[in-house]
Amino acid sequence: QQQVKQSPQSLIVQKGGISIINCAYENTAFDYFPWYQQFPGKGPALLIAIRPDVSEKKEGRFTISFNKSAKQFSLHIMDSQPGDSATYFCAASKAGGTSYGKLTFGQGTILTVHP
Amino acid sequence: SAVISQKPSRDICQRGTSLTIQCQVDSQVTMMFWYRQQPGQSLTLIATANQGSEATYESGFVIDKFPISRPNLTFSTLTVSNMSPEDSSIYLCSVVRWAGGGQETQYFGPGTRLLVL
Repeated sequence: QQQVKQSPQSLIVQKGGISIINCAYENTAFDYFPWYQQFPGKGPALLIAIRPDVSEKKEGRFTISFNKSAKQFSLHIMDSQPGDSATYFCAASKAGGTSYGKLTFGQGTILTVHP
Repeated sequence: SAVISQKPSRDICQRGTSLTIQCQVDSQVTMMFWYRQQPGQSLTLIATANQGSEATYESGFVIDKFPISRPNLTFSTLTVSNMSPEDSSIYLCSVVRWAGGGQETQYFGPGTRLLVL
């Protein structure tokens, strides 16, 4: 019940296109859903995060869509650029007390944006 | 944001030895965590580093293998003991901060890349 399933495993997009990565979770107690971007040799960097009280959050070219009833959330990268080529991880955690910081990660998506 | 540094950034170790990884945060944080990222894999939580008390370990991780210290609110160490090649991973320190409005944000350090021969 702690799993977060991420797809696709890899994604190739042309420059200027839209990249879409999907995640599904099982634990309805999860209420914090961040996305991380990781470049080779670096630690994950927080990209954008959402809570279940909103269905969408946008920051620049990055948008999270959240469907609470389906227990799914997705990352959309608009106008994808070669510099966006990285591994993207979705994650989820529960709020409250000892649950903070205990993220369950998806399997990761390797995004390649061709010029 | 949070500025997190880790030492060493990478190391190559012989099996049977131990390595201590340091994590330093730019300001005080209540909650610090250690994660592991095995080659080509996702991240898995090892333990929560508690200041003033013993670390809390996740299922599959034990104190004898991964002893953790948290002497103050800006520093923690993780030791990988009696290493085997299966311990070859990236070890990451992580902290949680709260912004205005009670919104939590979780940050990760750059990681320590460990190769055990």
